[in-house]
Amino acid sequence: KAGVTQTPRYLIKTRGQQVTLSCSPISGHRSVSWYQQTPGQGLQFLFEYFSETQRNKGNFPGRFSGRQFSNSRSEMNVSTLELGDSALYLCASSFRDRVSGDTQYFGPGTRLTVL
Amino acid sequence: DQQVKQNSPSLSVQEGRISILNCDYTNSMFDYFLWYKKYPAEGPTFLISISSIKDKNEDGRFTVFLNKSAKHLSLHIVPSQPGDSAVYFCAARLRRDDKIIFGKGTRLHILP
Repeated sequence: KAGVTQTPRYLIKTRGQQVTLSCSPISGHRSVSWYQQTPGQGLQFLFEYFSETQRNKGNFPGRFSGRQFSNSRSEMNVSTLELGDSALYLCASSFRDRVSGDTQYFGPGTRLTVL
Repeated sequence: DQQVKQNSPSLSVQEGRISILNCDYTNSMFDYFLWYKKYPAEGPTFLISISSIKDKNEDGRFTVFLNKSAKHLSLHIVPSQPGDSAVYFCAARLRRDDKIIFGKGTRLHILP
């Protein structure tokens, strides 16, 4: 099976712009979660989508939004970019197996730099 | 309020010896705990997990121990190998909404 793919891998934007990141989950996985990783904060949960519905949301401002399509692909959008949004954005997909635990498979991430 | 804490930002261990990575949590509503390994420029890779009803889970060189009374879990790697040098994240799943919360990670250096 192909793994989780994220595009683009690297992105440079300026303050005030907006950005859209894309994630394609492992085939058959219906849950997609997004995380932000920064050196000081580690991995922080942004939101989770399951069957095109947002199920969970972390403590991020409304500038961060997402959606999931019928084929489970997901996009994350950040509007009015700030310098502090520079981070590695990781997408993870999972099958939703409650018995064995919710193992998430991560993509390689999108490195966003805001200038 | 950090619910999953990895208090050691880094750890150095001699090749062949045992590596022990620690993780503490505060929320008794976690029902599953997971460890991930991350190399630079790659996404985290799932290593091993443990249900809150167990106290030990073993998979090859990796063993996770859970002490519920102390709200503490640890990952043991034995013997440590050069390829184990990476950042290790401890994560916990909340029973009520399946949200997964990560610690900040511990960077493990395996010394030759």
